[in-house]
Amino acid sequence: GNSVTQMEGPVTLSEEAFLTINCTYTATGYPSLFWYVQYPGEGLQLLLKATKADDKGSNKGFEATYRKETTSFHLEKGSVQVSDSAVYFCALSSGSGYSTLTFGKGTMLLVSP
Amino acid sequence: EAQVTQNPRYLITVTGKKLTVTCSQNMNHEYMSWYRQDPGLGLRQIYYSMNVEVTDKGDVPEGYKVSRKEKRNFPLILESPSPNQTSLYFCASSRDGQGGLAGVSEQYFGPGTRLTVT
Repeated sequence: GNSVTQMEGPVTLSEEAFLTINCTYTATGYPSLFWYVQYPGEGLQLLLKATKADDKGSNKGFEATYRKETTSFHLEKGSVQVSDSAVYFCALSSGSGYSTLTFGKGTMLLVSP
Repeated sequence: EAQVTQNPRYLITVTGKKLTVTCSQNMNHEYMSWYRQDPGLGLRQIYYSMNVEVTDKGDVPEGYKVSRKEKRNFPLILESPSPNQTSLYFCASSRDGQGGLAGVSEQYFGPGTRLTVT
């Protein structure tokens, strides 16, 4: 079956540091890959996505590249801000004609001033 | 404003007392889903619906029921809640239903319902 593995957190960084959150997946076929973000007390919201190999998703300074050869979709940001403190979820969807998502366990990011 | 709403946001109840958590979306989405979020386990899907009157089990359906009589609503029913159902619940919706582009559309999440069963 499908599965997503993320690095465990919390990840603690100082403002303006470089961020990487690792994500690897197992899936049949050609999944679409997503990063969702959950700010404290809120629901999840889509951060970025990639639908085929070598696609790069980007949003709000975050980037992730769909690497089929390494089955990875690592999230990166060059300079984090305090406001980026949140829980980040990697997810995939490989359903045949529907949108079911398989999530990783989430990685908490804490950014200090 | 496009949104998914859930009610109630917080609920404390006792074992065995039936409850319903409502979910409604105003985006005319075909696909709706319920997840529970638990520490160290991430989000796990409970049930999903690809369209009106079409529902199916997710990864952890035991102890839950759903119905989809209207496109906009997807209530989650706990007939006899137990303490192991204490969790944070999220409803989500997406444009894609059966036959749509697999996995491409964004899922929109509600704000969550924190349920405590004593």
